[in-house]
Amino acid sequence: TQLLEQSPQFLSIQEGENLTVYCNSSSVFSSLQWYRQEPGEGPVLLVTVVTGGEVKKLKRLTFQFGDARKDSSLHITAAQPGDTGLYLCAGAMVEYGNKLVFGAGTILRVKS
Amino acid sequence: KAGVTQTPRYLIKTRGQQVTLSCSPISGHRSVSWYQQTPGQGLQFLFEYFSETQRNKGNFPGRFSGRQFSNSRSEMNVSTLELGDSALYLCASSLDSLYGYTFGSGTRLTVV
Repeated sequence: TQLLEQSPQFLSIQEGENLTVYCNSSSVFSSLQWYRQEPGEGPVLLVTVVTGGEVKKLKRLTFQFGDARKDSSLHITAAQPGDTGLYLCAGAMVEYGNKLVFGAGTILRVKS
Repeated sequence: KAGVTQTPRYLIKTRGQQVTLSCSPISGHRSVSWYQQTPGQGLQFLFEYFSETQRNKGNFPGRFSGRQFSNSRSEMNVSTLELGDSALYLCASSLDSLYGYTFGSGTRLTVV
């Protein structure tokens, strides 16, 4: 059983479309982080959210943290081929000593 | 500034052998974590070190061990290698793990 449920697993969309990736848990996060990983490389941190209800924007990417700090979403507006990659959410949970636990990831493919 | 450096990048070992992987964190980062990434299991937490002390440990057998030196460099060791240990091993460093990690490019270990 995954501590962090991430959905969808795969997304294949056309350039210009919008998309949302979800990350959910039954536990409360001390912090929630989103990463993007390209083949053969390590994940790269996109954003960290720590406050319930927090919204952060990074160009065309919008990150939301749920009020109860148990869920998060990543929304991409007008996706581009350069957005293609593996998107990972990761949560630090107090009940697990704040170790960072990763979701299974969402593979995004944006076709031109 | 220099990123997280992992050596070697690629490694091929035989079942039963042991292996040591090295990680040099970003200067000033005292928290170092190790993860195993496989297609089937995703990113699985191995352990976290902070100022030479193991702060957290994942659910891996005792064949997996690690240590951190006074200069924050870290090593992980896997003894009695099994075919299932084939994976990408990622090291990540942080000033404060709650706010996000910087990952290295990983060591791709293949056990034959």
